[in-house]
Amino acid sequence: DAKTTQPPSMDCAEGRAANLPCNHSTISGNEYVYWYRQIHSQGPQYIIHGLKNNETNEMASLIITEDRKSSTLILPHATLRDTAVYYCIVRVATRGGADGLTFGKGTHLIIQP
Amino acid sequence: GAVVSQHPSWVICKSGTSVKIECRSLDFQATTMFWYRQFPKQSLMLMATSNEGSKATYEQGVEKDKFLINHASLTLSTLTVTSAHPEDSSFYICSANGGQLKNTEAFFGQGTRLTVV
Repeated sequence: DAKTTQPPSMDCAEGRAANLPCNHSTISGNEYVYWYRQIHSQGPQYIIHGLKNNETNEMASLIITEDRKSSTLILPHATLRDTAVYYCIVRVATRGGADGLTFGKGTHLIIQP
Repeated sequence: GAVVSQHPSWVICKSGTSVKIECRSLDFQATTMFWYRQFPKQSLMLMATSNEGSKATYEQGVEKDKFLINHASLTLSTLTVTSAHPEDSSFYICSANGGQLKNTEAFFGQGTRLTVV
């Protein structure tokens, strides 16, 4: 799986949009970008994933650049409960999911009241 | 999304004893489950891949005789930490992929905090 680079930490004011960047310059054509987050002392939670088109769900939006070498996760209206470590993971999406995930250090997002 | 449940949430055991952690997929069948370990202030590290009805596949550096994995059904995998020592104290997390689903987002249990004293 391709390597990703994320800033170690970010602050965001409550109610504002949180934009978390991820670089994945060595991504392959068949690799997806996945985002997970881990709130302190809990298991990770799936947020969103995409291949090349922008994606949106009830939790977040994912913007992938045209060359697919970077992406941004957007939490449109951050709340205190969004404070967590956010992981950007690039991997091939195979039916049945036969592979485990390789977690980097992620970005520790701190939402300030 | 799919639900994965881990039990217990936390456990304290004496050095030299064994501890079993259960991971269940509650609303889907998981032919493959994964076990991770997370030390304080570090990221999750994949320990092993648990396959229903067959032997687990362990990552390099993980002792298969110490971390016994059993995946006897499509909804249950267990991790047994044998002869636990203080250095095994960690946060253990399981995950399962929705095997029948087209997309392969992983669903994680809530984790088990193991403290060996």
